[in-house]
Amino acid sequence: DAKTTQPNSMESNEEEPVHLPCNHSTISGTDYIHWYRQLPSQGPEYVIHGLTSNVNNRMASLAIAEDRKSSTLILHRATLRDAAVYYCILKRTGANNLFFGTGTRLTVIP
Amino acid sequence: NAGVMQNPRHLVRRRGQEARLRCSPMKGHSHVYWYRQLPEEGLKFMVYLQKENIIDESGMPKERFSAEFPKEGPSILRIQQVVRGDSAAYFCASSLGRENTEAFFGQGTRLTVV
Repeated sequence: DAKTTQPNSMESNEEEPVHLPCNHSTISGTDYIHWYRQLPSQGPEYVIHGLTSNVNNRMASLAIAEDRKSSTLILHRATLRDAAVYYCILKRTGANNLFFGTGTRLTVIP
Repeated sequence: NAGVMQNPRHLVRRRGQEARLRCSPMKGHSHVYWYRQLPEEGLKFMVYLQKENIIDESGMPKERFSAEFPKEGPSILRIQQVVRGDSAAYFCASSLGRENTEAFFGQGTRLTVV
């Protein structure tokens, strides 16, 4: 599984945008970039995924660097409910599973 | 449409007993995945099943652990002769397909071995 590197923790003020970075310098052409988050005592929750182009959905935006060696998950207005561990995952076409690293623990300050 | 349902939510077993964890995937999903999360660690893949077939069990311990996904009924993760080190949260996920579709996770079963 191709490796991703994320900061261990980040803080954000409520109602401000949050940019969660992820480095994946060994990404291959068939790797999709997935983001999941895990709220305390819950199972992981899908956030967004993309291949090359930036992606938007109701939860977040995903900005992918032109060389695909990094990406950024953008939460447009952080709420207390967004406090969670965010996992950036590379999933190769044909792979059977998601490889969860240690993720970034996001704390939202009221 | 109910999400992925796992039961029980909490399970306590004594060393040497058997643990059976159940997972009902989302309606229409035929792909099921089991993950284990040890305290303060990330999730680790265990097994991937597709209706009646084990597709990938590369993350399953070689002994005492087994999984099935029968034609009718939920997927079952079975742990025989549990030991303290099996204490963890076990999560099940389901998806419509294997390729780059989102996986929906259940709330997990928290197994405590005493």
